[in-house]
Amino acid sequence: ETGVTQSPTHLIKTRGQQVTLRCSSQSGHNTVSWYQQALGQGPQFIFQYYREEENGRGNFPPRFSGLQFPNYSSELNVNALELDDSALYLCASSLDQAGELFFGEGSRLTVL
Amino acid sequence: KQEVTQIPAALSVPEGENLVLNCSFTDSAIYNLQWFRQDPGKGLTSLLLIQSSQREQTSGRLNASLDKSSGRSTLYIAASQPGDSATYLCAVRDNTDKLIFGTGTRLQVFP
Repeated sequence: ETGVTQSPTHLIKTRGQQVTLRCSSQSGHNTVSWYQQALGQGPQFIFQYYREEENGRGNFPPRFSGLQFPNYSSELNVNALELDDSALYLCASSLDQAGELFFGEGSRLTVL
Repeated sequence: KQEVTQIPAALSVPEGENLVLNCSFTDSAIYNLQWFRQDPGKGLTSLLLIQSSQREQTSGRLNASLDKSSGRSTLYIAASQPGDSATYLCAVRDNTDKLIFGTGTRLQVFP
């Protein structure tokens, strides 16, 4: 059984660019959620997808968007990058919408 | 609005000590609470999940308790080891399925 995998592990972008981060959920998990973790802070909930539908969203602007695919993998897209978007982006999957979360290793985004 | 607080922010103890990490939340209407461990620059590892109807969960040297009415959870680590050094995060899942994290307790166990 493979765990949650994320790609890329590190990337550097410049302000105004767009980025796509990818996540493969753990086998059998139909729910994926995304989090932003700034240095020294706890993760902040961005949104959650259940069976390809967004079913919860945190306090993030519309330039943060996502997708979940039929195989339950997911993408996080961020448009018009700002310096404050620099963070570790974490993806987690669970068996259902309120189940135990299992996290990937994260994607470290640096915006210059 | 649910807020989650963890005390202390940092803790340094000698190997072998038993220790308690605290997590408090402002809204008792939670679905469950989960404790995680995070090593520097890494993802989160799930330690224990407590459903709102449960009082405690145990896994090896770890024991987590939940008191919903007082808005508190504690993580007890028995016989601490240097390998336990990490940041410990608690997170509550509210009734809209959002997961809200505390800022963590950074633990260092020295030999």
